[in-house]
Amino acid sequence: EVHLVESGGGLVKSGGSLRLSCAASGFTFSSYNMNWVRQAPGKGLEWVSSISSTSAYIYYAASVKGRFTISRDNARNSLSLQMDSVRDEDTALYYCATGVGATHPSCFQDWGHGTPLIVSS
Amino acid sequence: EVVMTQSPATLSVSLGERATLSCRASQSVGSDLAWYQQKPGQAPRLLLLDASTRATGISARFSGSGSGTEFTLTISSLQSEDFAVYYCQQYNNWPPLTFGQGTRLEIK
Repeated sequence: EVHLVESGGGLVKSGGSLRLSCAASGFTFSSYNMNWVRQAPGKGLEWVSSISSTSAYIYYAASVKGRFTISRDNARNSLSLQMDSVRDEDTALYYCATGVGATHPSCFQDWGHGTPLIVSS
Repeated sequence: EVVMTQSPATLSVSLGERATLSCRASQSVGSDLAWYQQKPGQAPRLLLLDASTRATGISARFSGSGSGTEFTLTISSLQSEDFAVYYCQQYNNWPPLTFGQGTRLEIK
């Protein structure tokens, strides 16, 4: 059974930094594209970033490009999101999600329960 | 950016009836369209991919159709556990991957 556990969320001041992590188990992590998707309180879903299985291809939403950095460690079955220069509008629940394939972004097969980021000004 | 528009925003349907949810793309996305279900306090769950292929473990009561810019999610014989928010998402033109704003399915 696929298991994704996010951690690292919390309260951070505007302009600050935080690093989210996602521990994966129950599947061959190194074979799948991985993603971060967020959901602001009471709002819909917003794709944040994707990384291919070998880290060769990385993509960001325009709203976070240049501020957030996605990375993965296939030896440790872990995914990370380094968030710098955070803004009020980054406040959301951040989900880690598996892609369907290995390389290109697609849809999101399995999801963690999310970790919250609250940005205070 | 491909804008996904879902309608209606809220749909009220009785138990045992059929629900039809719509999703429209601002430009063609082929069949690269997924549907998700999200219940309060839970993560989204993938229902359908490639517009009409059920994800693993998804009931046959859920079906999808459409291609290009118009898509439909149909839930036959609604059960209490089906009342939730449903999102569509395109993965044809990226970045960015984009979601619709969601349709809330409620009990009538």
